Amino acid sequence: SQTIHQWPATLVQPVGSPLSLECTVEGTSNPNLYWYRQAAGRGLQLLFYSVGIGQISSEVPQNLSASRPQDRQFILSSKKLLLSDSGFYLCAWSLGGRNNEQFFGPGTRLTVL
Amino acid sequence: AQSVAQPEDQVNVAEGNPLTVKCTYSVSGNPYLFWYVQYPNRGLQFLLKYITGDNLVKGSYGFEAEFNKSQTSFHLKKPSALVSDSALYFCAVRQRGGYQKVTFGTGTKLQVIP
Repeated sequence: SQTIHQWPATLVQPVGSPLSLECTVEGTSNPNLYWYRQAAGRGLQLLFYSVGIGQISSEVPQNLSASRPQDRQFILSSKKLLLSDSGFYLCAWSLGGRNNEQFFGPGTRLTVL
Repeated sequence: AQSVAQPEDQVNVAEGNPLTVKCTYSVSGNPYLFWYVQYPNRGLQFLLKYITGDNLVKGSYGFEAEFNKSQTSFHLKKPSALVSDSALYFCAVRQRGGYQKVTFGTGTKLQVIP
C-alpha cells in the first residue's frame, strides 16, 4: 500500500530564516506531487505541483520554491521566511489518468515569529 | 476557469438525523468531482469521487453524493449523522482532459450535536 510522509510535524522559525519541508511517498512510482498551504484551517492554496523529476510548476509567485530531486521526494524551501508564511503545509500525491484523487500527508504546522 | 462553491460555512445537525453538505461547481465540459474530509490538525482524507456513470456515488463511512449536471451540484449526504462525523469537509473539481489541477472549495464545518 502507498504511504506519504511529511516532516517535521511542527516547526517554529524566526522571520528571515530558511525553510526546508520534506515529503516522501512510498509504494508507488511516478506520482504527481503537490504542495498546498492551508491558512486558518480553511481553504487550500495550491503552491506547487510536479508531474516528474525536476518538473515543477508554480501556482502562486512568492518567496517559496519547490524541488523534486527524486521520483518520490518533494521539498518545499524558502531562503528567508516571512510572517505571512505561517500556516499548515500539506503535501499530496496522485496517480495520473482518470483515477486521480489526491492522497494527503499529515501536514506540517509552520509558525514564523 | 474552474471553481467550486461551498455556500455554508458551517452545518449543524443532530446525531441520527440526515446530513447534507452542499457543493456547486463551474467547469468547462464534464467534471471530475471529489469530496474530502479533514479532522483537526490532520491531512485531508478522500471520501468519494464522481467520474462517470451513476449519478449517485457511494463512498467511505456511509457517505454518498449525488451529481446533478443541470444544477451543477455535487452535494454530500449521509442518512444518519454520527458525532464522529464532525469535521471539515471539502468539495473539489477537476476538468477532464490532460493534466488539470484540482480546485478545492473553502470547506464546510460539520458539527454533529449529541
